[in-house]
Amino acid sequence: AQSVTQPDIHITVSEGASLELRCNYSYGATPYLFWYVQSPGQGLQLLLKYFSGDTLVQGIKGFEAEFKRSQSSFNLRKPSVHWSDAAEYFCAVGAPRDDKIIFGKGTRLHILP
Amino acid sequence: GAGVSQSPSNKVTEKGKDVELRCDPISGHTALYWYRQSLGQGLEFLIYFQGNSAPDKSGLPSDRFSAERTGGSVSTLTIQRTQQEDSAVYLCASSLVTRTPQHFGDGTRLSIL
Repeated sequence: AQSVTQPDIHITVSEGASLELRCNYSYGATPYLFWYVQSPGQGLQLLLKYFSGDTLVQGIKGFEAEFKRSQSSFNLRKPSVHWSDAAEYFCAVGAPRDDKIIFGKGTRLHILP
Repeated sequence: GAGVSQSPSNKVTEKGKDVELRCDPISGHTALYWYRQSLGQGLEFLIYFQGNSAPDKSGLPSDRFSAERTGGSVSTLTIQRTQQEDSAVYLCASSLVTRTPQHFGDGTRLSIL
């Protein structure tokens, strides 16, 4: 069965600094990969997704993620964070032969002014 | 409506009571998912529907939990004889078909006294 690990529970960065949130998955073949963001008191919003093709995926709000098969990773990046990016970020994995999508436990991002 | 709608948004009930949580997916979305989000636990998959059928019920925590979907649209998650550990935010998501990006509702915050 597939699984996903987000090693960092909390991340703090200064406004304007670059950001990378880590995500590692476990699955025997190429999975479907997603990043979602949850702002306080709100539901989850899809940032970006990877199904196949180009391993560098562009998403909304200036985020991107890179699929690295050799490392079983799908890290989320942003060149310069804004205070409004403070939220919880979830990586998720879906298997092509399985209809479930499994979520990681999330990384809470804090932004210093 | 335009998005996934969940009701009630908040529910406070006494231990031992039954509760029903409702999810109204985006029109035309055939796949519907239920998740539970507890503090520090990320999103826990509960059950998903493809149309009116639930191929995978493995995520339901106990036989006190059940869910149904009628007419390929609205779904109800029922928790019988609630326990304090059932306190959490219950999130519903829908997608056009399985394995495609999910659209989330704002959740129902359930508190068991």
